[in-house]
Amino acid sequence: NAGVTQTPKFRVLKTGQSMTLLCAQDMNHEYMYWYRQDPGMGLRLIHYSVGEGTTAKGEVPDGYNVSRLKKQNFLLGLESAAPSQTSVYFCASSYGLGDGNAEAFFGQGTRLTVV
Amino acid sequence: QQQVKQSPQSLIVQKGGISIINCAYENTAFDYFPWYQQFPGKGPALLIAIRPDVSEKKEGRFTISFNKSAKQFSLHIMDSQPGDSATYFCAASMVEETSGSRLTFGEGTQLTVNP
Repeated sequence: NAGVTQTPKFRVLKTGQSMTLLCAQDMNHEYMYWYRQDPGMGLRLIHYSVGEGTTAKGEVPDGYNVSRLKKQNFLLGLESAAPSQTSVYFCASSYGLGDGNAEAFFGQGTRLTVV
Repeated sequence: QQQVKQSPQSLIVQKGGISIINCAYENTAFDYFPWYQQFPGKGPALLIAIRPDVSEKKEGRFTISFNKSAKQFSLHIMDSQPGDSATYFCAASMVEETSGSRLTFGEGTQLTVNP
């Protein structure tokens, strides 16, 4: 059981380049999330999805786009990378709402450096 | 603005001691308060979580104490072990159908347990 898998694990981009981060989960979870982690700031929500074909903005959405064409996949895109987007990106998923179902499962992270 | 404030930023304890990490939140609509543990190079993993209808929850050596009136909650690690050395994040969420369990994280606490 792989859980939440992120691709790639590391990437270096030049300013202005674009890329897509892929998140795949095999737990049949409805909800998926993208967070970024920066030193001293915890994790901050970029975008999230409440089901296949849906997306919504989180706390820090500017400069990012997302898509969820299939229930098991959640893609995060950077159209024109900036140095401020240097961060560690985490994807997470959760099953539902009741007790025991709200737990968010995280991937291993993608370390992105924009030079 | 930071809706969940966490302290201390770093903590050093001796093996066998008690580790205490504190968090305060602002939004009284939050109804789910998890603690996550993160080891270097890994994604956060759920350690323990509490709902606001109880004041304390214990799982093994880990206890959450929750004070609804003060809008504060804390993690206590009893008999701390070197293997507990990690970064700990408190978080809060409004678990609802329109957003799942999207989390607002504290800044994180780097715990070091000396042997």
